Amino acid sequence: AQKVTQAQTEISVVEKEDVTLDCVYETRDTTYYLFWYKQPPSGELVFLIRRNSFDEQNEISGRYSWNFQKSTSSFNFTITASQVVDSAVYFCALNAGNNRKLIWGLGTSLAVNP
Amino acid sequence: DAGVIQSPRHEVTEMGQEVTLRCKPISGHDYLFWYRQTMMRGLELLIYFNNNVPIDDSGMPEDRFSAKMPNASFSTLKIQPSEPRDSAVYFCASRHYGANTEAFFGQGTRLTVV
Repeated sequence: AQKVTQAQTEISVVEKEDVTLDCVYETRDTTYYLFWYKQPPSGELVFLIRRNSFDEQNEISGRYSWNFQKSTSSFNFTITASQVVDSAVYFCALNAGNNRKLIWGLGTSLAVNP
Repeated sequence: DAGVIQSPRHEVTEMGQEVTLRCKPISGHDYLFWYRQTMMRGLELLIYFNNNVPIDDSGMPEDRFSAKMPNASFSTLKIQPSEPRDSAVYFCASRHYGANTEAFFGQGTRLTVV
């Protein structure tokens, strides 16, 4: 079975704090892809990052970084020095095997307060 | 490219009426997905197409829902008759062939059935 768990339903931080959003996935496939999307209050879903199962290298993009650990089946997302504009719902998703469908987590709602 | 274009952005209709949601995918994309998002159920995949052919419609909730993709640049999702529980945001997304490619989402249609 394939599953994505985002255990944190809501997180609230004060601006400039670092925050980590957790994502744990389940799949029996050896080849799979993980994604993060952002849904700001305006409602659209914005692609942030894709990672394949053969590449465990962590990635940094500005204030965003992602930590992929196959040993714990986790693909966590950290925002450094958070800003009010980071307030959004963040979704983690999995695509595994021959399945063309994305398996989505329920999302983590992040509120960054001034 | 203008991205995935959905229309209308907002729709308010009375129970029992027919509702048609429209989507223009990104040119050259092989896959098109229809999602529904609600607070209670999160993001649900309703149906997806590959090269205009419906591949998996197991997420379509009832026979009241139908989707078509008459050509590579247009798809519709129809609800007939609509019910208040159909109220949700409906997203269309498209992507290239390949499990490692990200899906790009439209801005969604917010449907309210009264």
